[in-house]
Amino acid sequence: QVQLQESGPRLVKPSETVSLTCTFSGGSINDYYWNWIRQPPGKGLEWIGCFFYGGSIDYNPSLKSRVTISEDTSKNQLSLKLSSVTAADTAVYFCASGEYGGAHFQYWGQGALVTVSS
Amino acid sequence: QSVLTQPPSVSAAPGQTVTISCSGTNSNIGSNYVSWYQQLPGTAPKFLIYDNNKRPSGIPDRFSGSKSGTSATLDITGLQTGDEADYYCGTWDRSLSAVVFGGGTRLSVL
Repeated sequence: QVQLQESGPRLVKPSETVSLTCTFSGGSINDYYWNWIRQPPGKGLEWIGCFFYGGSIDYNPSLKSRVTISEDTSKNQLSLKLSSVTAADTAVYFCASGEYGGAHFQYWGQGALVTVSS
Repeated sequence: QSVLTQPPSVSAAPGQTVTISCSGTNSNIGSNYVSWYQQLPGTAPKFLIYDNNKRPSGIPDRFSGSKSGTSATLDITGLQTGDEADYYCGTWDRSLSAVVFGGGTRLSVL
C-alpha cells in the first residue's frame, strides 16, 4: 500500500514559484507512475503532470511552460515547481500514483492547499 | 469548461439506483480506458473504477462502470447516505496529450 504526503509552503506571493514535495512510502519509485493533480476551491480536478522513472515526464500542455516535476530517489520524494503563479493557481495540490499511466490514480496524498496572495 | 461532460448533480433516495454519465469524444473516451473517483467532502479523491468497469480491491460491487462509444457511466445501486460525494470521471486524451476529467457530479442521497 503506497502512502503519499504533500508538504511545502502554503502561502505564495503572485509571480513567485509554488514548490511542493511528495514523500512516499510502501512502494518503489520504479513501480509506479507519479502524478500531480490540483483542485481549485469549489472546483474540479486538473491534471498537472506525470513522472515515470526511467521514462519521459508528461505535462499538461496548459501548464507546461511553468511546470517542472522531478524526483529524489534517495529520499523517496517527488517534487513540483510551478512558476509565475497568480491567484488562479490557488488550489489543493495532490500527489497521486498508479501502476499504469493515464487516468489511473490508485493512491492519493491528503493534499496541500496552496494560496497565492500578496 | 471541462473536456468531459458530467451532470452537475444527481439525487435519489436511499436504497435506490443512480446513474452518472460522462460524455467525451473519440480522442478521449472513445479510444482510452475510463476511471472514476469518489470525493467525500474535505478529502482526497478515492479510486473507484478503472479500465471502464473494474473495481479496485475493497470497492463494493454496488459500484459499477461501463463504456459505450464516447460515453461512460457509473452506476451505484443500493444507495446509502455515505455515498453522498462528488464523483469524477477521467481518461487520457490523445489529441491534448493530457489526462482530462469531467467537471464532477454531486450525488445527494435524499
